[in-house]
Amino acid sequence: DAGVTQSPTHLIKTRGQHVTLRCSPISGHKSVSWYQQVLGQGPQFIFQYYEKEERGRGNFPDRFSARQFPNYSSELNVNALLLGDSALYLCASSETGTVYEQYFGPGTRLTVT
Amino acid sequence: DQQVKQNSPSLSVQEGRISILNCDYTNSMFDYFLWYKKYPAEGPTFLISISSIKDKNEDGRFTVFLNKSAKHLSLHIVPSQPGDSAVYFCAASSGAGSYQLTFGKGTKLSVIP
Repeated sequence: DAGVTQSPTHLIKTRGQHVTLRCSPISGHKSVSWYQQVLGQGPQFIFQYYEKEERGRGNFPDRFSARQFPNYSSELNVNALLLGDSALYLCASSETGTVYEQYFGPGTRLTVT
Repeated sequence: DQQVKQNSPSLSVQEGRISILNCDYTNSMFDYFLWYKKYPAEGPTFLISISSIKDKNEDGRFTVFLNKSAKHLSLHIVPSQPGDSAVYFCAASSGAGSYQLTFGKGTKLSVIP
């Protein structure tokens, strides 16, 4: 079975631009969570979506938004990019959304210049 | 304020010896703890977990110990193998049914052949 997939693998953006990151969960999983991992830090929770509805949100500004599609894939959108948004963005999927059974994708490395 | 702390950024151990990775937490609401292993260019992979109703959990070469009064947990790897070389993250949540993980900064383990 395919694991969690994320695209693109890497991308470079300029300050002020907008970016969209994509995640496809494991087949049968209805929940997607997004985490931001800044260099030298642990992953930090951004959002969780379950059955296409936002279940929780971490301490991130409104420039960060996400959505989940009927096929349970998800997009993370970040507007008005700042240098501090440079990070590895991780997506995790699970069947029920609980931390007990979250599987992480390889991440998207975003560099903002 | 870091609610989950891994104070050792790195650890080097000889192959065959014991590796001990430590983690402290400050939030009394945390009652479910997980360890993840992360190789470069891959997402974190679940290793082992422990609920606060236990003080020890074993899975093969991996054992996690929890000291609730000290708000401290540790991961023991015996015997250590070169393939164990990775970054290890300690994570915590308020219950196994929770959807949000709070991670430490990670400890980079190097197992020397």
